[in-house]
Amino acid sequence: QVQLVQSGGGVVQPGRSLSLSCAASGFTFRHFAIHWVRQPPGKGLEWVAVVSSDGSERSFADSVKGRFTISRDNSKNTVSLQLNGLTGGDTAVYYCAKDQIAEDFLSIDGMDVWGQGTAVTVS
Amino acid sequence: DIQLTQSPSLLSASVGDSVTITCRASQAINFYLAWYQQKPGTAPKLLIYEASTLHSGVPSRFIGSRSGTEFTLTINHLQPEDFATYYCQQLNGYPRTFGQGTTVEIK
Repeated sequence: QVQLVQSGGGVVQPGRSLSLSCAASGFTFRHFAIHWVRQPPGKGLEWVAVVSSDGSERSFADSVKGRFTISRDNSKNTVSLQLNGLTGGDTAVYYCAKDQIAEDFLSIDGMDVWGQGTAVTVS
Repeated sequence: DIQLTQSPSLLSASVGDSVTITCRASQAINFYLAWYQQKPGTAPKLLIYEASTLHSGVPSRFIGSRSGTEFTLTINHLQPEDFATYYCQQLNGYPRTFGQGTTVEIK
């Protein structure tokens, strides 16, 4: 079935780095933009970053710009989010999610498949 | 950046009630808005996109509408599985933003 399976995360000290991974299956991965969304404990959702289907375009939330990087490997059906310079404000559950519509970096149709989430604690 | 203001933050209702959640955008976003449902400990689920289009498999009791920069999610005949937190998200370019969420709880 269509799914995104996340790995990585854990507890990290302030200032350190961490990498999150999102592995896709059940759909033509190379056709879809992939997003990262995070949710601090007890709080709402925050959109974090996106990478286009071919990896040529990226965008980041202001809160992570310059510290986080996003990349994808279409040969391995994976997306990675590299978190650098972590602070307590980055403590959250991180989700990856795919765009509903293929081949459209500016898709307006939302994110239809989500990973299970992975917790990052900066302490 | 585009801000989304959801109201109310908390809504108490009973099974069978109809409820309405509002999401106001700080600027025009056309119909580029989605609604998600999230239950504790789980990932969000897409309910509605393009302001009023029901995602596949979502019951017809969920209705999305738009008037200018004000968007509403109405849930008719609340079912036990509908008690959850709902978020709007604007898709008018980047950065994409979410509303702060509305929790629908059992009265």
